[in-house]
Amino acid sequence: NAGVTQTPKFRVLKTGQSMTLLCAQDMNHEYMYWYRQDPGMGLRLIHYSVGEGTTAKGEVPDGYNVSRLKKQNFLLGLESAAPSQTSVYFCASSYRAFEAFFGQGTRLTVV
Amino acid sequence: AQTVTQSQPEMSVQEAETVTLSCTYDTSENNYYLFWYKQPPSRQMILVIRQEAYKQQNATENRFSVNFQKAAKSFSLKISDSQLGDTAMYFCAFRSNFGNEKLTFGTGTRLTIIP
Repeated sequence: NAGVTQTPKFRVLKTGQSMTLLCAQDMNHEYMYWYRQDPGMGLRLIHYSVGEGTTAKGEVPDGYNVSRLKKQNFLLGLESAAPSQTSVYFCASSYRAFEAFFGQGTRLTVV
Repeated sequence: AQTVTQSQPEMSVQEAETVTLSCTYDTSENNYYLFWYKQPPSRQMILVIRQEAYKQQNATENRFSVNFQKAAKSFSLKISDSQLGDTAMYFCAFRSNFGNEKLTFGTGTRLTIIP
């Protein structure tokens, strides 16, 4: 039972490059989330989805795009990476208001 | 918008002692859920305990218990008989029961258990 799996676990990008982070869950959860974690700031919500084909903005959506073409997958894209996007990114999924299950995190460094 | 505040950025306690982590939140809603998550050095986010606002009884999971004060909008976590493996970041989180898509986190408390 894999739960929530994020790919990749580490990545270094140059400023201006693009990349996509993949999140996959095998629990048939409706809700999926992308958070970023920065020192002293906790986890901040970037985008989220309440079902296949739907997405919505969170607290800090600028510079990111998402897609949820399949219920089990939630993709986070950076079109033109900036040093301010250096962070640890977490994907999570949940069934409605119950607890969220998290992936292992992706450490992204933009140089 | 809901906010979650953790006013203790860092705490430390001797092994086997009891420690309480504080969390307050702001909401105008009556039905919601509160969570404590633990993040050890491995970076994995682990659910510690959950509390439904409509339940007056405080949730308990082994050595972990909460003091839920709904009127005061306070949700503290007590760790009894602390162990070295409890060393981690602890995050308090809030989720509304209506329009409940968003899970809002506090800024975390770094807890160190001293041998």
